[in-house]
Amino acid sequence: GENVEQHPSTLSVQEGDSAVIKCTYSDSASNYFPWYKQELGKRPQLIIDIRSNVGEKKDQRIAVTLNKTAKHFSLHITETQPEDSAVYFCAASNRDDKIIFGKGTRLHILP
Amino acid sequence: DTEVTQTPKHLVMGMTNKKSLKCEQHMGHRAMYWYKQKAKKPPELMFVYSYEKLSINESVPSRFSPECPNSSLLNLHLHALQPEDSALYLCASMEGSLGTDTQYFGPGTRLTVL
Repeated sequence: GENVEQHPSTLSVQEGDSAVIKCTYSDSASNYFPWYKQELGKRPQLIIDIRSNVGEKKDQRIAVTLNKTAKHFSLHITETQPEDSAVYFCAASNRDDKIIFGKGTRLHILP
Repeated sequence: DTEVTQTPKHLVMGMTNKKSLKCEQHMGHRAMYWYKQKAKKPPELMFVYSYEKLSINESVPSRFSPECPNSSLLNLHLHALQPEDSALYLCASMEGSLGTDTQYFGPGTRLTVL
């Protein structure tokens, strides 16, 4: 089955700097890659997603890149702000109804 | 209405109790999910219902029993749980498929088993 690896597990960046989180997946049939942000005590919220027919997608300060050949995808957050502090999960879907999550990255934005 | 709602928000139960978690969505979504999330871990898929029929069961112990009474409601019946079942239980729904649509999560029920 699908396996999603996520790195790093913890990331600290200065406010205003960029943060990058990387994920790899194992199943070449996976075709949908969402990213979720989860604040303490809250539900996971979809922040951006990318499908296998696209190499890059951007939404304001957030961007995701996908390299299908290498089976990896990355989340880029620019001009980080204190409210970006949270746990971020990458995920991959290789069938219509099932998402496999990475283990998560705890992002700390330092003042 | 673009929300998935869950009740109760918190639940404390003993190992001999029977309780139920409830999830509701009025977005006309055809797929509904139950996830279990332990602290500092990703959500772990338990069950998926598609058009009110159970389509995925991730080998969940029988002390967890899902039910989908209609297209808007999803229940999770709990019986004889263990302390290690304490977790955040998340419901989610989706209109079409993951390739084209978004999965929406409810706020979760925080369950404590004593």
